[in-house]
Amino acid sequence: DAGITQSPRHKVTETGTPVTLRCHQTENHRYMYWYRQDPGHGLRLIHYSYGVKDTDKGEVSDGYSVSRSKTEDFLLTLESATSSQTSVYFCAISESVGARYEQYFGPGTRLTVT
Amino acid sequence: KQEVTQIPAALSVPEGENLVLNCSFTDSAIYNLQWFRQDPGKGLTSLLLIQSSQREQTSGRLNASLDKSSGRSTLYIAASQPGDSATYLCAVNSNYQLIWGAGTKLIIKP
Repeated sequence: DAGITQSPRHKVTETGTPVTLRCHQTENHRYMYWYRQDPGHGLRLIHYSYGVKDTDKGEVSDGYSVSRSKTEDFLLTLESATSSQTSVYFCAISESVGARYEQYFGPGTRLTVT
Repeated sequence: KQEVTQIPAALSVPEGENLVLNCSFTDSAIYNLQWFRQDPGKGLTSLLLIQSSQREQTSGRLNASLDKSSGRSTLYIAASQPGDSATYLCAVNSNYQLIWGAGTKLIIKP
């Protein structure tokens, strides 16, 4: 299994509070991704990173920010959590892009906003 | 805009049957296609990756095919077992991002 951990694994928070989720990898892969998964939807990309301090928005980036100060860590922040951000969040990594591009996933964080 | 569809959304079959899961996509300009398995409350496990230049990939009882021109991929599972019960997702690598189907929930009845 790829060395990807996410913390916390479960979190319950109140509307309006800030929340930070952490993804940590031991593979030294360049690319890291944050997705959310909701019932009836496939995974949807929130933000991704293609290097230290290099990040870009995905399909559903509103209300989320990210930071990557080290190769191994990619943080996802909800500045002011809303109930619509209740979801399961997955981090993924990949070594390269192109035809051999393959993503590996962390175990997920279940976030509930009350 | 690339869209990925998986039909059916759910499938229940008796143990031992061979079965096919379907994935279709709207834009044939893809780099590769990946099949994943997800168990309830768990993360995603990569099963097979097919590059755009390939027609199929095999791993054990699993065989995935790709027909870019028609925008389709199939995942064939031979001699199904109860342990194969899970949700199967396909994801298309389009413009260096993965675009996902909503998945097929598979139940194998003993």
